[in-house]
Amino acid sequence: DAGVIQSPRHEVTEMGQEVTLRCKPISGHNSLFWYRQTMMRGLELLIYFNNNVPIDDSGMPEDRFSAKMPNASFSTLKIQPSEPRDSAVYFCASSVHRGQDEKLFFGSGTQLSVL
Amino acid sequence: GQQLNQSPQSMFIQEGEDVSMNCTSSSIFNTWLWYKQDPGEGPVLLIALYKAGELTSNGRLTAQFGITRKDSFLNISASIPSDVGIYFCAGLPYSGGGADGLTFGKGTHLIIQP
Repeated sequence: DAGVIQSPRHEVTEMGQEVTLRCKPISGHNSLFWYRQTMMRGLELLIYFNNNVPIDDSGMPEDRFSAKMPNASFSTLKIQPSEPRDSAVYFCASSVHRGQDEKLFFGSGTQLSVL
Repeated sequence: GQQLNQSPQSMFIQEGEDVSMNCTSSSIFNTWLWYKQDPGEGPVLLIALYKAGELTSNGRLTAQFGITRKDSFLNISASIPSDVGIYFCAGLPYSGGGADGLTFGKGTHLIIQP
């Protein structure tokens, strides 16, 4: 099993630019999660999807952040426009099925630096 | 919202030493999970606990679900260099539910000095 695949691994961009992070969950997993990790705040849940439908986006910090899941094997997290305070590691994670299993499988993350 | 207090924040130990860390909450959790994050990677599940008082081992790692349901402990025996990383606890206030309800601690950074 390939695990959760994220791209890019590293992204350096200038303030004001659009950033798109990509994720391919584990095949057969029906729930997908986007987390942000910083030293100050630890792991924060931004949004999660169940069967490709966004269930809870209350963790999305601002309207500059948006996430989509057009099909069961792909999701994107977009920041437009990006700001220096968005610099963090962004993780995508998937789990088997909401309501059945709480075990999360994380990708390797995208290290985002906004200059 | 619920918060998990994880301690210590960091540990500097010698190779071969045993390690203990814990996670506490002001509210009850019915599921506890322990994850490890290697440098540059995402967290990986180590141990899952489902019953108060449960003691579960995974190699040199042993985790316990506190009897009050408000805490959990992780011990690593005879540490080795590859144990370096960040250890996270995570809790769910219910059993058999989905990962969307997980609350994560802020992690314990384990550093092993040669």
